[in-house]
Amino acid sequence: SYELTQPPSVSVSPGQTARITCSGDALPKQYAYWYQQKPGQAPVLVIYKDSERPSGIPERFSGSSSGTTVTLTISGVQAEDEADYYCQSADSSGTVFGGGTKLTVL
Amino acid sequence: QLQLQESGPGLVKPSETLSLTCTVSGGSISSSSYYWGWIRQPPGKGLEWIGSIYYSGSTYYNPSLKSRVTISVDTSKNQFSLKLSSVTAADTAVYYCARHSPVTIAPLGYFDLWGRGTLVTVSS
Repeated sequence: SYELTQPPSVSVSPGQTARITCSGDALPKQYAYWYQQKPGQAPVLVIYKDSERPSGIPERFSGSSSGTTVTLTISGVQAEDEADYYCQSADSSGTVFGGGTKLTVL
Repeated sequence: QLQLQESGPGLVKPSETLSLTCTVSGGSISSSSYYWGWIRQPPGKGLEWIGSIYYSGSTYYNPSLKSRVTISVDTSKNQFSLKLSSVTAADTAVYYCARHSPVTIAPLGYFDLWGRGTLVTVSS
């Protein structure tokens, strides 16, 4: 397996755009996935296959990929988006999570 | 609607073996479409993949835990289980079971369905 690196924290004001990055050497070859986790709850998938959005996830959540970095973008951030966000990727031998990013809505 | 539920002791003594079971309801664990996994989260920390299993019994483990982990499946009970041996306080965590993405997309890819998680504390 390999490592995925995320910034520990990101802060943004309501209505602004939040960008959370995830870096890893294998990301050019492997899909990335993103989860939102609120306190006391299980993670919820918000992006899969780098940029696909599961049904029920608001359109303000989007994902992109460039080289060894993938980015989760939340446009028009709302107070309810305050949470921890984790990236994940996989290869033929296993799967790995990034360390997580705490999104604070100021 | 498919649901997953973790069960097992909430307190385990150091050096003993942690044992948890995940019961799948509303669908069959024998579906050839999915792997099933265990993930844990120490208090205040991030997610850590422990390992995953296919209904046939094929397993993949996190290399950092491999020497202590055994994951098994019981298709007759629609359950899969986790055993973690020689536990220490560092194994205190919320343990989640979850379903992977369809194998046609990525066999060990994203987790689309999660249990609620169960807190296991390692303490004497």
